[in-house]
Amino acid sequence: EAGVAQSPRYKIIEKRQSVAFWCNPISGHATLYWYQQILGQGPKLLIQFQNNGVVDDSQLPKDRFSAERLKGVDSTLKIQPAELEDSAVYLCASSSRSDRQETQYFGPGTRLLVL
Amino acid sequence: AQRVTQPEKLLSVFKGAPVELKCNYSYSGSPELFWYVQYSRQRLQLLLRHISRESIKGFTADLNKGETSFHLKKPFAQEEDSAMYYCALKIVGPGGGADGLTFGKGTHLIIQP
Repeated sequence: EAGVAQSPRYKIIEKRQSVAFWCNPISGHATLYWYQQILGQGPKLLIQFQNNGVVDDSQLPKDRFSAERLKGVDSTLKIQPAELEDSAVYLCASSSRSDRQETQYFGPGTRLLVL
Repeated sequence: AQRVTQPEKLLSVFKGAPVELKCNYSYSGSPELFWYVQYSRQRLQLLLRHISRESIKGFTADLNKGETSFHLKKPFAQEEDSAMYYCALKIVGPGGGADGLTFGKGTHLIIQP
């Protein structure tokens, strides 16, 4: 099966600009996660969707970050405006409740550099 | 709040030597623990989980609730084991919905020939 797809793979922007990342989960996976991984750290959960509903966004900096999954498939994460500390790899993951073990499968990530 | 600690940023061992990557967690309940691995130029992938109690690629990990640890072990390291290893914890939130992972900072394992 095709894995989790993300685009773009790399993005360089200037401080205060806006940026958007796209994720296409594994077909049939109802649960989708966005993680932020700053250099030297482990991934940190930003938001979790179940179908098109938000399950957990407690760690999402809502003053500048937003995410949507309108049709319950693809998802977009936006940063508006970006700050220097947002430089990181943004990982998307998906899982299926029909998989008894509910393994999270990760995409390749989008590497963001804010100058 | 829950936390995962991996005390070693870098661990270097010789091929054939035993490997132990340490992981400690803080959570008062009963979490699920995982080890994820990221090989060079590849995506993050699940290595093993404590519930399965299985050996994957020669690696095992035992959950010790008394010491709140979940150390990863392999008796004889191989060069292809060189990678970043992340310990992660999952707590299922109220209502069974939220189940995002909390990761440690990772340990870079280098196996020298």
